[in-house]
Amino acid sequence: EPEVTQTPSHQVTQMGQEVILRCVPISNHLYFYWYRQILGQKVEFLVSFYNNEISEKSEIFDDQFSVERPDGSNFTLKIRSTKLEDSAMYFCASGRTEYSNQPQHFGDGTRLSIL
Amino acid sequence: AQRVTQPEKLLSVFKGAPVELKCNYSYSGSPELFWYVQYSRQRLQLLLRHISRESIKGFTADLNKGETSFHLKKPFAQEEDSAMYYCALSHSNTGKLIFGQGTTLQVKP
Repeated sequence: EPEVTQTPSHQVTQMGQEVILRCVPISNHLYFYWYRQILGQKVEFLVSFYNNEISEKSEIFDDQFSVERPDGSNFTLKIRSTKLEDSAMYFCASGRTEYSNQPQHFGDGTRLSIL
Repeated sequence: AQRVTQPEKLLSVFKGAPVELKCNYSYSGSPELFWYVQYSRQRLQLLLRHISRESIKGFTADLNKGETSFHLKKPFAQEEDSAMYYCALSHSNTGKLIFGQGTTLQVKP
């Protein structure tokens, strides 16, 4: 069964540095998402992406964050200048459509630790 | 505002006992609700969704619009059911998911 893959599994970065989290969605999926989960808290929506542009973003997704799909397969989340509070588990998800009859599939997540 | 509430952080039961994981939601339109499960060291996986009215691994969930609930139930818990369970609501035309806090189900032998 095809899977969403995320790399790296764990990223340790100094505060203020840029970080790029990578995701390879399932190949025939058209909708892509990033979520994050701060330790002990719930999974929170960050951004959705369709047709090469952001379709929706949350309040968390400020100017420090950006997403792109540079080569038609990878889907990346960039944090320009990381802060301590960016430490979290970041999940990528993809879906064939935005409708619930085609549910989202999640990757294993990237644990981001900001020092 | 759209919100999903799972009031219990931890639910601990003995094997063979019935299980009910509570989920309440707040949503202005017609909700589409899901249960996702995360076994130890594994990814979030879809367990079931209200529109398909299915039973997966013995679990069922009924949408009660009057009580705005979507509780997850299983009549006889198994040890392999131990995991983190998330209730989620699909919102808007982008399909984003709004998650509850999650409930850890611990099934003791």
